[in-house]
Amino acid sequence: GNSVTQMEGPVTLSEEAFLTINCTYTATGYPSLFWYVQYPGEGLQLLLKATKADDKGSNKGFEATYRKETTSFHLEKGSVQVSDSAVYFCALGPASTLTFGKGTMLLVSP
Amino acid sequence: GAGVSQSPSNKVTEKGKDVELRCDPISGHTALYWYRQSLGQGLEFLIYFQGNSAPDKSGLPSDRFSAERTGGSVSTLTIQRTQQEDSAVYLCASSLAADRGNGYTFGSGTRLTVV
Repeated sequence: GNSVTQMEGPVTLSEEAFLTINCTYTATGYPSLFWYVQYPGEGLQLLLKATKADDKGSNKGFEATYRKETTSFHLEKGSVQVSDSAVYFCALGPASTLTFGKGTMLLVSP
Repeated sequence: GAGVSQSPSNKVTEKGKDVELRCDPISGHTALYWYRQSLGQGLEFLIYFQGNSAPDKSGLPSDRFSAERTGGSVSTLTIQRTQQEDSAVYLCASSLAADRGNGYTFGSGTRLTVV
């Protein structure tokens, strides 16, 4: 079956540091890949997506590249801000239901 | 509506009581999903509705859990005889069935605490 593995958090960074959150997946076929973000007290929001191999999703300075050869979809940002503090979820689909990773908490200090 | 609306936002209930959680999806979204988010456990799929088809209930953890969707719109998740392990945030999401490649739109969730 489908599965998603994310690096465990929390990830603690200083403002303007470089961010990488690793995500690898197991799936049949050619899934779409997603990153969702959950800010404190809020629901999940779609951050970015990629629908086929070598696609790069990007939004709000975040990027992730769909790597079929390594079955990965790592999330990166060149310079994080305090406002990026949140929980980040990697997910794969489409299917009748998306499969989510366990989430990685990011804490950014000034 | 503009987004997925869930109510109540918080619910505290006594062990053994029944609770109902409501989800109002985005207008026109034919697919509706319930997930449970427990501390440190990520998102656990519960149930999925697609149009008038029979729902996919494969994620429901026990027969105390049930859900219905009336008129292809509003959904209610019911938990009977609540237990302390049911405490979690219950998230609802919806999507255009033909466009699942764009992912879901989530509501803000209902935080359920069983005491």
